[in-house]
Amino acid sequence: GNSVTQMEGPVTLSEEAFLTINCTYTATGYPSLFWYVQYPGEGLQLLLKATKADDKGSNKGFEATYRKETTSFHLEKGSVQVSDSAVYFCALSDQRSFKTIFGAGTRLFVKA
Amino acid sequence: DAGITQSPRHKVTETGTPVTLRCHQTENHRYMYWYRQDPGHGLRLIHYSYGVKDTDKGEVSDGYSVSRSKTEDFLLTLESATSSQTSVYFCAIREPDSYEQYFGPGTRLTVT
Repeated sequence: GNSVTQMEGPVTLSEEAFLTINCTYTATGYPSLFWYVQYPGEGLQLLLKATKADDKGSNKGFEATYRKETTSFHLEKGSVQVSDSAVYFCALSDQRSFKTIFGAGTRLFVKA
Repeated sequence: DAGITQSPRHKVTETGTPVTLRCHQTENHRYMYWYRQDPGHGLRLIHYSYGVKDTDKGEVSDGYSVSRSKTEDFLLTLESATSSQTSVYFCAIREPDSYEQYFGPGTRLTVT
C-alpha cells in the first residue's frame, strides 16, 4: 500500500539558515504530493503541492520537487525565520483512494 | 478558507460518558474526515465519509461511531469515553479534483 516516510525531528536551526526536510514515498500509480504545516494550537494548512513528476510546488519561500526516480518530495527553504517554527507533514493522495496518507510530521524550531 | 468549524473546541468529560463532536462545513464538500492527533503518533484516521449516509472506518475506529445525515455536518461520537481517547480531534474535507485537504481548528478532548 501507499506510505510516506519523513525525517524525524525535531530540527533546530538558527534564523536565516537553509532548511531541508526529507520525504520519501511508496505508491503505485501517480499520486499527488503535498506538504502541510501546523502552527501551535491550529489545524494543518496546505503549504504546497505537486501533481506530477518534475513538478515543483512553492509557497512562502518553501519549495519541493516531485522526483519520481527517487520517490522523494523534499521540502526546502533558503532562509528560515522564527515564524516558520511549526510541524511539517508530507502527504500523498491519489484518485484510487478516498484517503490521504500523512507522514509522521517533523517539528522545526527556528532560533533568533 | 474552506469554512470548516468544529464544536466544541474544548471539552472535559468523565470516563464512561458519551461525547459527540461536531464538524460543520459550508462549501458542500462530499468528502469529510475525522482524525485524532497524539504525540508520537502523528495524524490517525478515525472515520471518513464520501457522501450523505456513506461512511467508512479508518485505522483507529474502535470506540468511535460517525453519522452524516446532511452534507454540511459530520458527527463523531464516543459511545463511552475512555482515558485513551484523550486527544486532539481534527475534522477535514477533501477537494474532489485536487485531493487537497482542509482542516478545522480542532477539538481538544480530555477524558478524566
